Amino acid sequence: EAGVVQSPRYKIIEKKQPVAFWCNPISGHNTLYWYLQNLGQGPELLIRYENEEAVDDSQLPKDRFSAERLKGVDSTLKIQPAELGDSAVYLCASSLAGLAGEQYFGPGTRLTVT
Amino acid sequence: GQQLNQSPQSMFIQEGEDVSMNCTSSSIFNTWLWYKQDPGEGPVLLIALYKAGELTSNGRLTAQFGITRKDSFLNISASIPSDVGIYFCAGQLGGGSEKLVFGKGTKLTVNP
Repeated sequence: EAGVVQSPRYKIIEKKQPVAFWCNPISGHNTLYWYLQNLGQGPELLIRYENEEAVDDSQLPKDRFSAERLKGVDSTLKIQPAELGDSAVYLCASSLAGLAGEQYFGPGTRLTVT
Repeated sequence: GQQLNQSPQSMFIQEGEDVSMNCTSSSIFNTWLWYKQDPGEGPVLLIALYKAGELTSNGRLTAQFGITRKDSFLNISASIPSDVGIYFCAGQLGGGSEKLVFGKGTKLTVNP
């Protein structure tokens, strides 16, 4: 069974440019999460989807971040415009409904904003 | 917001030694989890604990859910070089919240 797939693995952009990350969860997992991980820190939740509905986006900086999961399967996280402080690893995870503790993570996208 | 205090921050041990790390919180969690993250990869779930007092093993790993529901520990016995990585604890609040709160991690180095 394939794990959580994320692309790209690495991205380097200049500040003020837009960037997008893509995630394909494990088949059958209807809950999808986007996390931000700064160096030396644990992951911090940005947004959680149940199917196509964003049920927790309280930590998403909505002035520059947006996310979508139109068909309830794969998802895209976008930053526009990117700032220097956005440099981090963006992790996607998925789980079965009701088993939020058993989340399976993708390898992440390492974003560097210069 | 909820915070998890994970300690120690880093550990340097010899191969074959046992390791212990823990997490504490001022909040009560309904679920405690332990993840391991290798460089350039996402965290991988090691052990999930669902009941206060629960002691669960996964090979050489043993974790316990504290009686007060505010803490958990992870033990690794007879460490081997591939145990190197960052270990994260995570807690899930109850009351219908699906949110996981992660600790800052314990970086483990095993010297052969």
